[in-house]
Amino acid sequence: QKEVEQDPGPLSVPEGAIVSLNCTYSNSAFQYFMWYRQYSRKGPELLMYTYSSGNKEDGRFTAQVDKSSKYISLFIRDSQPSDSATYLCAMSANLTGGGNKLTFGTGTQLKVEL
Amino acid sequence: ETGVTQTPRHLVMGMTNKKSLKCEQHLGHNAMYWYKQSAKKPLELMFVYNFKEQTENNSVPSRFSPECPNSSHLFLHLHTLQPEDSALYLCASSIGQANTEAFFGQGTRLTVV
Repeated sequence: QKEVEQDPGPLSVPEGAIVSLNCTYSNSAFQYFMWYRQYSRKGPELLMYTYSSGNKEDGRFTAQVDKSSKYISLFIRDSQPSDSATYLCAMSANLTGGGNKLTFGTGTQLKVEL
Repeated sequence: ETGVTQTPRHLVMGMTNKKSLKCEQHLGHNAMYWYKQSAKKPLELMFVYNFKEQTENNSVPSRFSPECPNSSHLFLHLHTLQPEDSALYLCASSIGQANTEAFFGQGTRLTVV
């Protein structure tokens, strides 16, 4: 079983739709949860960062963490064609020797159509 | 731009060639990373440097050799690669190794022929 599971898509939605992207994980030690956005031919860029359970909102984006279910989500409201990209979830736990190690999902490819 | 610059952006090399990838960060960060991104696979952490010292080698074959001369620069030396090594190689940095907010460069698209 992979530590982090993410549906690769592709996911195609009409402009203005609400998008829900999800990841599940198996390591209960994960405490930090991130979403990265990666445009074609670019490196990933950090979109949202949350610690432990709860919701975090930033403009049209909401990140949600449910540690009891080992499930995280990213919601995009009023989706735009410019949101078309691959969305990567990532998570980490404190290492016993200090530091952190990010574990990524495979990424979900999203296309928002006019 | 994220403040992390990688060169070259694209590289095609034969299996007997030697080449190097370069990464430079202008963010004042102390930790730098090499990741490999292959199609349909999660990002794979390869190496971690913290204050110029290598703190993690994620069982990477010796045909990949990292070098970190200072906290701002990171190299990945490539030698006798295999076609399955073709991938996007991403450099990232963070304030410290304990900081999870990593900033990525644009990557080097490597093709081994």
